[in-house]
Amino acid sequence: DAMVIQNPRYQVTQFGKPVTLSCSQTLNHNVMYWYQQKSSQAPKLLFHYYDKDFNNEADTPDNFQSRRPNTSFCFLDIRSPGLGDAAMYLCATSRAGVFYEQYFGPGTRLTVT
Amino acid sequence: DAKTTQPNSMESNEEEPVHLPCNHSTISGTDYIHWYRQLPSQGPEYVIHGLTSNVNNRMASLAIAEDRKSSTLILHRATLRDAAVYYCILRDGGAGNMLTFGGGTRLMVKP
Repeated sequence: DAMVIQNPRYQVTQFGKPVTLSCSQTLNHNVMYWYQQKSSQAPKLLFHYYDKDFNNEADTPDNFQSRRPNTSFCFLDIRSPGLGDAAMYLCATSRAGVFYEQYFGPGTRLTVT
Repeated sequence: DAKTTQPNSMESNEEEPVHLPCNHSTISGTDYIHWYRQLPSQGPEYVIHGLTSNVNNRMASLAIAEDRKSSTLILHRATLRDAAVYYCILRDGGAGNMLTFGGGTRLMVKP
């Protein structure tokens, strides 16, 4: 029973070529998150949506943007990927509130050539 | 944000209990203690959380010190599948949804 689905699992893009990663959920959770995880590091929150309200972390580069067209889907757009953007990108969902756990997808591993 | 301190790595034998410590000396009264783990090549998964009292679920137990400045995640019988990075995270009850991951503890389980 897939709950948080990320496509594709592996993405290769060229330096400077825009790329979009997608995430969908079957849990009907109102909060969706995007994390970046570089090799041997912990996940780092980029931004999250509370319903349609977008919340950007202060240190998230402008190069990263997100769209949430409906409850089920959320996209991560990287406008001009640099070599430093190569990482695992994790999508997660939860109900609103500190009591509720986040459910993570398997991640998309992005390679920038 | 209140921070957590965990050992970088720990080792355990299969079928034995594992106690994973976490120090959070600057914890505030509204901070919940959450544990997540990340198996190799997978996204993190929720393990357990608590506020003041010890908690048990099917995956693990969480023991919280009386002063709340430290906690311990207990896996009662480690299996090879429990080899993962375990993250201890404080979540502010007033701030809502964010998870701020620290360094975590890499648990290795020997057969």
